[in-house]
Amino acid sequence: AQSVTQLGSHVSVSEGALVLLRCNYSSSVPPYLFWYVQYPNQGLQLLLKYTSAATLVKGINGFEAEFKKSETSFHLTKPSAHMSDAAEYFCAVTRISGNTPLVFGKGTRLSVIA
Amino acid sequence: EPEVTQTPSHQVTQMGQEVILRCVPISNHLYFYWYRQILGQKVEFLVSFYNNEISEKSEIFDDQFSVERPDGSNFTLKIRSTKLEDSAMYFCASSVAGGLADTQYFGPGTRLTVL
Repeated sequence: AQSVTQLGSHVSVSEGALVLLRCNYSSSVPPYLFWYVQYPNQGLQLLLKYTSAATLVKGINGFEAEFKKSETSFHLTKPSAHMSDAAEYFCAVTRISGNTPLVFGKGTRLSVIA
Repeated sequence: EPEVTQTPSHQVTQMGQEVILRCVPISNHLYFYWYRQILGQKVEFLVSFYNNEISEKSEIFDDQFSVERPDGSNFTLKIRSTKLEDSAMYFCASSVAGGLADTQYFGPGTRLTVL
């Protein structure tokens, strides 16, 4: 079975600092990986996805993630945090069968300090 | 920009009561999903739906749960007899197609509280 582990339920950074949110996956076959963001009182919004094309994936709002097979990781980064980045971030992996339901991590809440 | 909508945003019910959670998927999408997140836990897949039938369901989706697309625009999740452990945030999602890399678009969720 596929699974995702997000290290750190809460990450706090200063405005302008590097954002690093960690995601490790477990999969017996090459996965497709996703990062979603949830702002307060809103739905999950896709930030970016890895679908086996390029290992470095660029998403919206200046975020990017690098797929590292050797480390089974798909960490999310942003060079400079903005106050508006404060939200809950979810890493997810597709299952290999069925109608592609997503398998999610527990989420990481990002706080940005002025 | 089209979006998935869900109603109500918050539902409070007594244990044993039936609840219906409603979703309006994006209009040209063909695949629909329900997920839930119990407070402090992972977002979990419940069921996927295509062409008016269930495509896949998880172990969570037992006989107490059912889904329906009653009128071509709404997509509903019914819980027949709610339990305390059904308290969670329920997310609806939809996608154009059901391929491995197809993006699922999520609604804002319905928070269900069972007393």
